[in-house]
Amino acid sequence: DAGVIQSPRHEVTEMGQEVTLRCKPISGHDYLFWYRQTMMRGLELLIYFNNNVPIDDSGMPEDRFSAKMPNASFSTLKIQPSEPRDSAVYFCASTDPSAPRQGTAGNTIYFGEGSWLTVV
Amino acid sequence: GQNIDQPTEMTATEGAIVQINCTYQTSGFNGLFWYQQHAGEAPTFLSYNVLDGLEEKGRFSSFLSRSKGYSYLLLKELQMKDSASYLCAVRDDKIIFGKGTRLHILP
Repeated sequence: DAGVIQSPRHEVTEMGQEVTLRCKPISGHDYLFWYRQTMMRGLELLIYFNNNVPIDDSGMPEDRFSAKMPNASFSTLKIQPSEPRDSAVYFCASTDPSAPRQGTAGNTIYFGEGSWLTVV
Repeated sequence: GQNIDQPTEMTATEGAIVQINCTYQTSGFNGLFWYQQHAGEAPTFLSYNVLDGLEEKGRFSSFLSRSKGYSYLLLKELQMKDSASYLCAVRDDKIIFGKGTRLHILP
């Protein structure tokens, strides 16, 4: 079974340009999360969806950031306009809807390989 | 509010045992996770605790005390490949991560 698929893996763009990051969750997973990771701030939750509906976007830094999930197999995170401080690794992750059981991976989240964004 | 604390860095010797602590304060609780992350890679799942007590899985064990808002990850027989960051995460509905503990293993 394929894991969470993200694209692009690496992107270098100039300040002011639009950036679109893409994610395909694992089939059958009902939650999708977007995280941003930097050395200073660690892994921050930006937004998450349940059954394609945005549940909490309080982590989105500002109006330059937007995310959509038009269907169960695709999500985008868009930054417009991009700034150098947006440089980070952006991870998409999805969860297994099975009931949580002690010790097992049930209810855990599976990460994509990340999109490494550099804004110059 | 939500807050997850863990030490920033730890150092241990190959073959030894190390315990990484995590304390949390969250509005809800539906389980605590530990993840391992090597430099340049995505986090990978290590353990999940939703009940109090110790969960053992090979060289790695994880402990949870819900009343104290406390967990630890115990790594035994340390190997050089265990050099990584270890992330504590708590789920209510969303999943929030601590900033991670960078573990250095000395030969």
